[in-house]
Amino acid sequence: NAGVTQTPKFRVLKTGQSMTLLCAQDMNHEYMYWYRQDPGMGLRLIHYSVGEGTTAKGEVPDGYNVSRLKKQNFLLGLESAAPSQTSVYFCASSDQGAQPQHFGDGTRLSIL
Amino acid sequence: AQSVAQPEDQVNVAEGNPLTVKCTYSVSGNPYLFWYVQYPNRGLQFLLKYITGDNLVKGSYGFEAEFNKSQTSFHLKKPSALVSDSALYFCAVRDAGTASKLTFGTGTRLQVTL
Repeated sequence: NAGVTQTPKFRVLKTGQSMTLLCAQDMNHEYMYWYRQDPGMGLRLIHYSVGEGTTAKGEVPDGYNVSRLKKQNFLLGLESAAPSQTSVYFCASSDQGAQPQHFGDGTRLSIL
Repeated sequence: AQSVAQPEDQVNVAEGNPLTVKCTYSVSGNPYLFWYVQYPNRGLQFLLKYITGDNLVKGSYGFEAEFNKSQTSFHLKKPSALVSDSALYFCAVRDAGTASKLTFGTGTRLQVTL
């Protein structure tokens, strides 16, 4: 059972570079989420999607864009990376309502 | 606005002793409450949730949590800790009556020693 798969697992970027993080889920979930985890700050929601073709802003959306062209995939883009975006990024998916979220194992991103 | 507080950055327990990880919350309406665990270099794993009904919720790996509406708390408990329980624990809340998203606490590191 794959669940939620994130690629890549690690990446080092230079300031100003762009990249895309990929999240794929095989549970047919409607909802997908992108979070960042920073020490002492818990998880903060960047963007989320309530279904194929939809996206919405979360708590900390600035500097990021997302797309959900297919139900199973949710992409997070950094157009011009900044050192403040150094973090661990987690993708999650869930069914509607009060169902728990299922998380990937994260992408560790360092921006120099 | 909804919020979650985990007042302890770290909890230290000896193996075999009971453990408690504290969580208090704030929402406008009724809460949906969750506990997750994170092991090193892994994503969060769901432990248990409170939606409605019995205030004592049982979850994975022998963990349980007690919902206390008057104290707005949802503390995580286990009768007998194991060294393998050492991890980072997150409490999360969302308002049941709205389309709000989950708000996570800052996490509590549980260290169980022999």
